[in-house]
Amino acid sequence: SQKIEQNSEALNIQEGKTATLTCNYTNYSPAYLQWYRQDPGRGPVFLLLIRENEKEKRKERLKVTFDTTLKQSLFHITASQPADSATYLCAFGGTSYGKLTFGQGTILTVHP
Amino acid sequence: EAGVAQSPRYKIIEKRQSVAFWCNPISGHATLYWYQQILGQGPKLLIQFQNNGVVDDSQLPKDRFSAERLKGVDSTLKIQPAKLEDSAVYLCASSLGRGRGEQYFGPGTRLTVT
Repeated sequence: SQKIEQNSEALNIQEGKTATLTCNYTNYSPAYLQWYRQDPGRGPVFLLLIRENEKEKRKERLKVTFDTTLKQSLFHITASQPADSATYLCAFGGTSYGKLTFGQGTILTVHP
Repeated sequence: EAGVAQSPRYKIIEKRQSVAFWCNPISGHATLYWYQQILGQGPKLLIQFQNNGVVDDSQLPKDRFSAERLKGVDSTLKIQPAKLEDSAVYLCASSLGRGRGEQYFGPGTRLTVT
């Protein structure tokens, strides 16, 4: 069966460092993936989308990569700030109608 | 522009009771989604509407859950009867069209079944 796994439940880093979050998938061939941020008590907020024919996408301090050979996506936040502390969700899509399958999320805490 | 609206924000019911959630998507968004998010997990799609037609309801427990989207705008999700394992946050999301675009989520309804 399809499986999506984010590498760790929690990641703690110091302010100013680069946070790297991993999302792996098995038994699946996604056409694209998305990353969302979720704060406590709120719904997820879209951050980035990357398609299967794209290796890398950037937006301000955010960078996402998509390796279909390794079946993995990496999400980087450079020069991290305490305000970046949140849960980050990866989501894969492979249907024409936009269905997303989410990972379980990684809780990122950036310490001052 | 106004975001996705959901109500109520919180609901506590006893098992075997029924409950309904309401969602108003962003104006002009044709696609509407209902997700269930259990604590510590990612959102799981329950049902997806394209306008007022169902596109995917493969993970909706149809013996107890139902959803409708009349006139292709607002939507309601109902649980009847509720079980303890239905305790979760129910998220509504919408997107502009049918396809691979970003989804806009509402704040969710936190349901506790006792």
